[in-house]
Amino acid sequence: ETGVTQTPRHLVMGMTNKKSLKCEQHLGHNAMYWYKQSAKKPLELMFVYSLEERVENNSVPSRFSPECPNSSHLFLHLHTLQPEDSALYLCASSQEVYADTTYEQYFGPGTRLTVT
Amino acid sequence: RKEVEQDPGPFNVPEGATVAFNCTYSNSASQSFFWYRQDCRKEPKLLMSVYSSGNEDGRFTAQLNRASQYISLLIRDSKLSDSATYLCVVNEVTGSGYSTLTFGKGTMLLVSP
Repeated sequence: ETGVTQTPRHLVMGMTNKKSLKCEQHLGHNAMYWYKQSAKKPLELMFVYSLEERVENNSVPSRFSPECPNSSHLFLHLHTLQPEDSALYLCASSQEVYADTTYEQYFGPGTRLTVT
Repeated sequence: RKEVEQDPGPFNVPEGATVAFNCTYSNSASQSFFWYRQDCRKEPKLLMSVYSSGNEDGRFTAQLNRASQYISLLIRDSKLSDSATYLCVVNEVTGSGYSTLTFGKGTMLLVSP
């Protein structure tokens, strides 16, 4: 496997369910990200991790809970979601996240989530 | 709130046409600028970085105007395969010293035979 992979690719869940999205990067990067992409809206940054440490949390509701067990894996745990949370959830990685240089971000294919 | 503004389009052009997209950004402290491309139901991918002096990559030319805070992308000799959404992307530095990216909503390009 190369690049950034995400599973599942599609997910339908009820508002009372608990599910997890998984992301894995095979690029040797130190930074990983979760984004939300809704129709007619720009990509919204949700969380940023640098070497397994969360460094940014963009006012995301607590029903979204990230986990980064190591620099290659990132999870997004979901519980009691709302229908407006239906969107494409994209994982990305980059070499670093520090301010002196902005590195290209490589995206996974995304998980298309529908909350019913 | 820091924003990146783009005309959503769609821009409908015939093959072989030249088309230009503009983008404006609100954060004057931004230092890095990019164009990403996103095909329908796919993930975004880096098309090119945008440098202060302007840069060209084949049929694609990117320009940056810091004084006016806008970025442009010019595509010459459009191909059917250029049909996609083009995302203008600008870096932001957080209070903690980390560099993150702010994305525009994208401009849709449709190239027809």
